[in-house]
Amino acid sequence: AQKITQTQPGMFVQEKEAVTLDCTYDTSDPSYGLFWYKQPSSGEMIFLIYQGSYDQQNATEGRYSLNFQKARKSANLVISASQLGDSAMYFCAMREGWGGGFKTIFGAGTRLFVKA
Amino acid sequence: DGGITQSPKYLFRKEGQNVTLSCEQNLNHDAMYWYRQDPGQGLRLIYYSQIVNDFQKGDIAEGYSVSREKKESFPLTVTSAQKNPTAFYLCASSIGALTSTDTQYFGPGTRLTVL
Repeated sequence: AQKITQTQPGMFVQEKEAVTLDCTYDTSDPSYGLFWYKQPSSGEMIFLIYQGSYDQQNATEGRYSLNFQKARKSANLVISASQLGDSAMYFCAMREGWGGGFKTIFGAGTRLFVKA
Repeated sequence: DGGITQSPKYLFRKEGQNVTLSCEQNLNHDAMYWYRQDPGQGLRLIYYSQIVNDFQKGDIAEGYSVSREKKESFPLTVTSAQKNPTAFYLCASSIGALTSTDTQYFGPGTRLTVL
């Protein structure tokens, strides 16, 4: 089974509108972390937002918020007021216990296109 | 400016040659990582190092080697044993906390093409 699933290979959004990028995860570890990264065409992975499994409130960072639904094992990224510069690949990742330590696993990504 | 640098940005290799990708960080992070990214796919872990002079294999270590002689540096060698080395290689670092909160920060990447 996939540990991190991003079901949307590509998404379109109109500039200034909000968009939700889906991410579901699978783990039996009670302590885990969820991350979202942005990868523009230049290639660098940019850290956007983090949500811990024990956090009671959804994480927010500027225009980014994480819609964390623990029972559903989903961690969707919401981008408000989309900008042309938001066009990029977005990766969801999970850090969980593994072999006495921790391991970070990445999803396959969602490509977001922002239309003017 | 604190950050992670990778060089070169583009690298071309002939079949049968070994090449070394550089990764340097000045974030004072203990942990460093190498990932491989193929077109349209996520990241796969090649090697990681939690501390100087120690490193562990990731999911796809075959055909690769690393060293960690200094805290700031984690070079990756792609050997001739790697059957399909053409890919985008990303280096990352983190504080190295053995917790679920440890966030990885990435360099700009090196695009390797085998001719």
